[in-house]
Amino acid sequence: QSVLTQPPSVSGAPGQRVTISCTGSSSNIGAGNDVNWYQQLPGAAPKLLIYGNNIRPSGVPDRFSGSKSATSGSLAISGLQPEDEADYFCQSYDNSLSGPTFGGGTKLTVL
Amino acid sequence: QVQLQESGPGLVKPSETLSLTCSVSDDSIKTTYYWGWIRQAPGKGLEWIGHIIYSGTTYYNPSLKSRVTISIETSKNQFSLKMTSVAAADMAVYYCARVRGSGNIRWFDPWGQGILVTVSS
Repeated sequence: QSVLTQPPSVSGAPGQRVTISCTGSSSNIGAGNDVNWYQQLPGAAPKLLIYGNNIRPSGVPDRFSGSKSATSGSLAISGLQPEDEADYFCQSYDNSLSGPTFGGGTKLTVL
Repeated sequence: QVQLQESGPGLVKPSETLSLTCSVSDDSIKTTYYWGWIRQAPGKGLEWIGHIIYSGTTYYNPSLKSRVTISIETSKNQFSLKMTSVAAADMAVYYCARVRGSGNIRWFDPWGQGILVTVSS
């Protein structure tokens, strides 16, 4: 069981907007620790998508945005494109674990 | 742009020791960054294993700490993972990655391509 909880799957049609939630607790996100997001395309390694709750690394389209509130984080993808079909993982730091921890991942299907 | 590449045996027998190396190119490993290992069992999520800095300071996932050693060899610009007494549950794709941030603010970027380790006799 992952420390951070994500929905197993979400879907949307091209052009639509979807959001993926990441629910934590008072020992991680709720303790003020940042939420980071990774995109894993089929057969590839994870790639950093968002860090520091809402910061996009250079090269990541502004269609991707992140937010954080209380004990959860959220990734929003607007203007869905077929190439966005991938697994998305959230990550934070857990004070009880004394280390980074990941969500179980969410599979995004572009219909 | 720093690049990371995992290497090592793709097949390990149960109860034996898994040994992997991560080679870092286009940047020195002797920096203020930590360097980490993460694994992903088939069809599953990501699990942080541990990370190390060039001075040798390490941090490990408590659930794996008794079996894991991460070391660093600055002269070769590499860092390594050893996991003892492997079992079927240790079968996974193992990734190395640079750890950015500080304190309780940590993220992984970039990642190596990953190496599949199968545990079987």
